[in-house]
Amino acid sequence: AQTVTQSQPEMSVQEAETVTLSCTYDTSESNYYLFWYKQPPSRQMILVIRQEAYKQQNATENRFSVNFQKAAKSFSLKISDSQLGDTAMYFCAFHYGGSQGNLIFGKGTKLSVKP
Amino acid sequence: DGGITQSPKYLFRKEGQNVTLSCEQNLNHDAMYWYRQDPGQGLRLIYYSQIVNDFQKGDIAEGYSVSREKKESFPLTVTSAQKNPTAFYLCASQRGSGWVNTEAFFGQGTRLTVV
Repeated sequence: AQTVTQSQPEMSVQEAETVTLSCTYDTSESNYYLFWYKQPPSRQMILVIRQEAYKQQNATENRFSVNFQKAAKSFSLKISDSQLGDTAMYFCAFHYGGSQGNLIFGKGTKLSVKP
Repeated sequence: DGGITQSPKYLFRKEGQNVTLSCEQNLNHDAMYWYRQDPGQGLRLIYYSQIVNDFQKGDIAEGYSVSREKKESFPLTVTSAQKNPTAFYLCASQRGSGWVNTEAFFGQGTRLTVV
């Protein structure tokens, strides 16, 4: 069974600084997707960034980037130039697209951006 | 506009009653999921379905039931057997078990409270 672990329940960062959120996962599959989702106080889940396991290049979306280490099964999220609007819960998620595949989430990291 | 709709937003249940949470999507997605979110627990998978008329139990299926009679709809029934149903429930849909564009889209959630 696949598992996703986020070891940082809470983090804080000063506005305009950089912060890294950690995520590790466990799977025996070789082809899969990894995601970071953001859940602001409105509780609407928003996709931040995705990574295909077969791609060696780390995904980047504006101020958000990942450090994907497939051998280590690590998938960290770096937020650069943090903004107040980045304050939210961040969830790491794993998806295996086989016929019985499902979408598994970590427990989340609560990020607070301070002015 | 395509999207995924959960209703109602807030639901109150008396002890011993069954209640059904609605989830409808018009994204033509094959896969649909139900998650329960409790503080400090992240998103825990209740049930998921990859195709019509088929569904699988997730990690915490006891006390819940689902149906998937139509591609667009995946209702969740919280039965009286669920001892602690007060939680926030999220429904999600995803294109399917393929390898392209497997981002999951989420509804806005239903807050269920036992009174």
